[in-house]
Formats: sequence, structure tokens, C-alpha cells
Amino acid sequence: KNQVEQSPQSLIILEGKNCTLQCNYTVSPFSNLRWYKQDTGRGPVSLTIMTFSENTKSNGRYTATLDADTKQSSLHITASQLSDSASYICVVNSFWGGSYIPTFGRGTSLIVHP
Amino acid sequence: KAGVTQTPRYLIKTRGQQVTLSCSPISGHRSVSWYQQTPGQGLQFLFEYFSETQRNKGNFPGRFSGRQFSNSRSEMNVSTLELGDSALYLCASSLGGWASGANVLTFGAGSRLTVL
Repeated sequence: KNQVEQSPQSLIILEGKNCTLQCNYTVSPFSNLRWYKQDTGRGPVSLTIMTFSENTKSNGRYTATLDADTKQSSLHITASQLSDSASYICVVNSFWGGSYIPTFGRGTSLIVHP
Repeated sequence: KAGVTQTPRYLIKTRGQQVTLSCSPISGHRSVSWYQQTPGQGLQFLFEYFSETQRNKGNFPGRFSGRQFSNSRSEMNVSTLELGDSALYLCASSLGGWASGANVLTFGAGSRLTVL
């Protein structure tokens, strides 16, 4: 069964600090991995996409890494801001039946305090 | 350009009733997918439509159904509602197909369903 596990479940940090969120997956066949940010009351928004051959990708203060051998990904947030408070969801896609089938992690809830 | 629009945003139903949710995708997007989000289970894939055809379906009972119209707008229906169906239902659209990046999902704000 395809699964995506995220840790920690929740995290509280002070503004300006860095943090790292983890995503472990057992999805086969693997197509790509995306990190989404979901603000309260909104739909998720894509932050990064990682394919099998990519080890690291940055989007501003967000840097995602992927180790396809160990099936692990991380999302590092640098110099956190209050607006980073959100749920971060790891999604691993398989390509099946002509479309991408996503398997979602349950997310990490990040709270950034001033 | 306009984003993904879901209606209604909030609704309250009682057990046994049925509900229909609507999703208007981004112009030009041919794929529409639906998800259920609950605090306990997180996001779960319901089904995906592409050019009016259901391409894939998640592990949900037959009470959950959907369709897509020729203009790519989609509806999902839940019949014989149960308390456990209370959730945020999210719709996402994408270009679909085989192109690189075609699976970038743009989500709507969701329809929050409460079943009493």
C-alpha cells in the first residue's frame, strides 16, 4: 500500500529561526514528489516539485531535498516568517492509467511565533 | 487569470440527505480531481476526470460520485450522507496529459460540508 509519512506532526518555532520538515514514502512506481503549503481556510499551493533525478530544489526561503534511494524528502525553511505558519503537505505521485495519482501525507502544522 | 472556483463554500446537511458540490477549473485545464480532507485522515484522493471521463478513482464507497461537463466544469455528489462525511472537499485542476509539469495541481478553497 502506498504511504507517505510526515514528521513532526506539529512544530512551533520563533520568527527568524530555521526548521526542517521530513517526508518518508513508500510509493511505487514513483513519478515525482511535491511539497504544498496550505494556509488555514485555503486550498494547498505547490511549493516545489522533485523528480527522481533531482536532489535539491529551492524556491526562495524554501529548499526541498530528495533521496530516492532511502525514499526520503525534506523541506527546509530558512529565516522563518509569521506568514510561514501553515500546514505543509508532502505529496508523492505515481503515474497510472494516463494520469498522476497522488498519495498525501497528513501534513506538518507549523506555527511561527513572533 | 481566475483560479479554481468551488461552490458552495459552506453547507450543512443531515444524515441521509445528498449533496452536490461544484468546481470550475482554470480556463484551459482539462483535468479536475477531487479530494476529501479531514483532521484525522488528511487529504484523500476521491477521483479524477479528464475530458469528461473518469480516469482514476480512490478508495471511497459508491455513494461518492462525480462527473465532468464539456466545459471541464465538474460536480461531485455524495448520497445518503453519513456523519463521517463531514469534511473539507477540495477540487483541483491541472492541464492533465503527459506534458512535464502537467500534474501541477491548482486547488480551490474547498467546500466545507457538515453532516448533522
